[in-house]
This record gives sequence, structure tokens and C-alpha cells, in this order.
Amino acid sequence: SQQGEEDPQALSIQEGENATMNCSYKTSINNLQWYRQNSGRGLVHLILIRSNEREKHSGRLRVTLDTSKKSSSLLITASRAADTASYFCATANTGRRALTFGSGTRLQVQP
Amino acid sequence: DGGITQSPKYLFRKEGQNVTLSCEQNLNHDAMYWYRQDPGQGLRLIYYSQIVNDFQKGDIAEGYSVSREKKESFPLTVTSAQKNPTAFYLCASSQPDRADTQYFGPGTRLTVL
Repeated sequence: SQQGEEDPQALSIQEGENATMNCSYKTSINNLQWYRQNSGRGLVHLILIRSNEREKHSGRLRVTLDTSKKSSSLLITASRAADTASYFCATANTGRRALTFGSGTRLQVQP
Repeated sequence: DGGITQSPKYLFRKEGQNVTLSCEQNLNHDAMYWYRQDPGQGLRLIYYSQIVNDFQKGDIAEGYSVSREKKESFPLTVTSAQKNPTAFYLCASSQPDRADTQYFGPGTRLTVL
């Protein structure tokens, strides 16, 4: 079953602009993380945020988590054409020793 | 050169045939996973294994089978019972009890002709 739903499904921006993607989930989580997937390739882990954290930064990435709303957002600042990819949120839930992925946001950064 | 390898990258199968996808890792991870991805969709868990000689069904295990005879290897067989097997298949591994940090292989694209 799909735990998370990303919003928007697709996003097109110009280089230099910020990109914001949202993820909602349904059950209690231990942590939430974001992955990136270039077309036809495997997934690359970007960042993990624990359930007791509200915000986390890594380079140009900023992730927020609101457990009361069961939602997270990923902000990519000063986007580059190389950021073009699909981005997925995934949750690690208590009692389930595997990740549950959302449906992803396809980001297109125009040069 | 550490990581996860999947082979082949592209695989074609005739209807009614079984096919086995390979996944090998040299990260010394105990846990391994198989996911299926359909176009424009997220990943869905097929099977996972926390330790050698043990594995559990995921959300969409019907029509698939796995084995875990070696720590490094977790092959997935797509059987003829899988009604719609055309998809992108991803293998991943992690430390035990660290499913939150998984390392993914490059994937195998299976097409049924």
C-alpha cells in the first residue's frame, strides 16, 4: 500500500528558483526520508528526518516535518538543471521493517 | 568498489515464462529488499529479507518468489502467475533494523512480450 502521497505530481521551474514538494502520510512513523531518482535509475538517499525533529538542512535541501498533520515538505533552493529528477518521500513505520514510498514528484528544472 | 548490482539491466520475457532477476551486494548488509515500480508511480515492496535463509512477503508478493541462501545475494523470480509483470524492479539493502537507510541498485527493466 502507498503510505505517502506527494504533491504536486509534477513541477516545472526555471533554474535559480526554489522548488517545494510536499508529502502526506497516514500512520505513525519513526522517521521520514526523501529520495531522488533520475530517469530509469535507482534511488539515491537525500535526507532523513526523525519523528522528533521539525526541520533539517543539508546543503541546498531543507526538510520539514509536521507529525500533527502527518506531512513533510522538501525545499530545494537555487535549483539547477541537474536537479531534474523524481523525488520520493518514504516512511519507516513502527513494526514494519521496510520503507513505504509515496508516488513521487517529477521535477523539471529548465536551464 | 562497494555497492549493489542488478543484472540484467533490460530483460525481455515471453508470456508464461519464469524469469529470475539478480541482486548482489558487497556492503555486508544483512537486510535486502525488492521493490516494483510502475511508470509514474512510487515503489511497492515485493519481498524483504532481514537475514540469510529468512524472508517475508511485502505488499505485492503474489506471483513472485525469492531465496536468500547467501548474505550477498537476493534473487527475485517473476513467475508466470504474475499477471502484469512489465515494470522496473529495484533491489536495495540496509543494515538490520536500519530500513530507514537503504542503498539501491540501478534496477532491471522487465518487459513481457
